[in-house]
Amino acid sequence: ETGVTQSPTHLIKTRGQQVTLRCSSQSGHNTVSWYQQALGQGPQFIFQYYREEENGRGNFPPRFSGLQFPNYSSELNVNALELDDSALYLCASSRAGSNTGELFFGEGSRLTVL
Amino acid sequence: QQQVKQSPQSLIVQKGGISIINCAYENTAFDYFPWYQQFPGKGPALLIAIRPDVSEKKEGRFTISFNKSAKQFSLHIMDSQPGDSATYFCAASNRAGYQKVTFGIGTKLQVIP
Repeated sequence: ETGVTQSPTHLIKTRGQQVTLRCSSQSGHNTVSWYQQALGQGPQFIFQYYREEENGRGNFPPRFSGLQFPNYSSELNVNALELDDSALYLCASSRAGSNTGELFFGEGSRLTVL
Repeated sequence: QQQVKQSPQSLIVQKGGISIINCAYENTAFDYFPWYQQFPGKGPALLIAIRPDVSEKKEGRFTISFNKSAKQFSLHIMDSQPGDSATYFCAASNRAGYQKVTFGIGTKLQVIP
C-alpha cells in the first residue's frame, strides 16, 4: 500500500512569488485535505477536495487555491506569498464516507518565504 | 479562535512514568476525538481515537479518558518509553459535510532514561 507522498520536501521563495505544492494520495483514498502547520503549532485546515471539487475550506484567503485530479492527486497553490506563509504544508488523504477523523498524512513540504 | 485547547505544551517524564496530556473543546457538534503523534520530520499519524458515547478507550499503553459533560478528554501514556518522545496533538472533528479536523496546539513529550 503506497502512502501519501508530497513534493517538494523543502523550498524557499521570496515575498510576492507563487508556489505550487503537490500530493499523491494513499491508494484507495479519494479525498484530499491540506493543512498548514506553523512552527510550534498544530495543523490548521486549509481546504478539502473530493471528486475534483473543493468541498470545505478553513479561514484562509482566496490566494490559497487547490486542485484535485482524476487520479485523486492534488495541488496546493499559494499566490502573492507573504512572510507568514512560511510553514510546513501537510497533505492528508482519507476515504469519503469514513465516519471518523482519521487522516493519513504525508511528510509535508516545508516552505520558507524570505 | 482555538476550538481545542491542549495542555501542557511541553512535558518531561521519566522512563516508566505516566504521561498525561489534557484537552478541552468548545464545539458540542464534534463527534470524533483522535490523537495524533508526530515525530520530527514526519507528518502526524493517528495514535488512538474515541467517540463521545464512550468514557474510556485503551490500546496497549495508551488510554483516552473522555468527559462529555465537562467537554474534556485526556491521553495517558503508561510506562512511558524514550521511543514515545514526540509531539502529541489532540483533535476533534464532525461530519458537517466534510472531515475538517481541528487540532490542539500540541504537546512536546520528552521521556528521559
